[in-house]
Amino acid sequence: RKEVEQDPGPFNVPEGATVAFNCTYSNSASQSFFWYRQDCRKEPKLLMSVYSSGNEDGRFTAQLNRASQYISLLIRDSKLSDSATYLCVVRTGTASKLTFGTGTRLQVTL
Amino acid sequence: NAGVTQTPKFQVLKTGQSMTLQCAQDMNHEYMSWYRQDPGMGLRLIHYSVGAGITDQGEVPNGYNVSRSTTEDFPLRLLSAAPSQTSVYFCASSLAGTSNNEQFFGPGTRLTVL
Repeated sequence: RKEVEQDPGPFNVPEGATVAFNCTYSNSASQSFFWYRQDCRKEPKLLMSVYSSGNEDGRFTAQLNRASQYISLLIRDSKLSDSATYLCVVRTGTASKLTFGTGTRLQVTL
Repeated sequence: NAGVTQTPKFQVLKTGQSMTLQCAQDMNHEYMSWYRQDPGMGLRLIHYSVGAGITDQGEVPNGYNVSRSTTEDFPLRLLSAAPSQTSVYFCASSLAGTSNNEQFFGPGTRLTVL
């Protein structure tokens, strides 16, 4: 079983739609959780950290369920510019070492 | 600040050749790491360093060497290139510690081994 699992997609949604991505992780000792965004043929960039209480950044909302070892990302009012691959990322053990999911591809269309 | 820089952007090697991928950061970050990204596999950690003079293996270290003689530089050496090392390589850096420090990535090196 992969340490971090994501549905690869693609998710094709119209502009303005709400879309949700899910991610599960296998190590219950995992300590920190993130969503990174990666545009085609570019480097990953931090979108947001994920906190147990849930957190929001504009149109983006992240949730963490430690009991189910489950992370989610909700994007409201999708824009064309949201088209990218979204990587679920987990930190476990040694400081700063990250484990990446394979990513979920989102395509927002007119 | 230039952030994290990587050279070269593209490279083609023949099987058995050796080369060094360069990575540098100007943010005074203690932690640096190398990943490879392959289709369907996500990013996998090759080697990492928590400070000058300290390196350790990640998930897929075989065939690669690293050194960290300065805080700024973290080169990745391919000892004898193999077609299985065809991949996109990303270098990343962050402040060390257990807090939620963002990792900053370089633009990547696209390597093809024939």
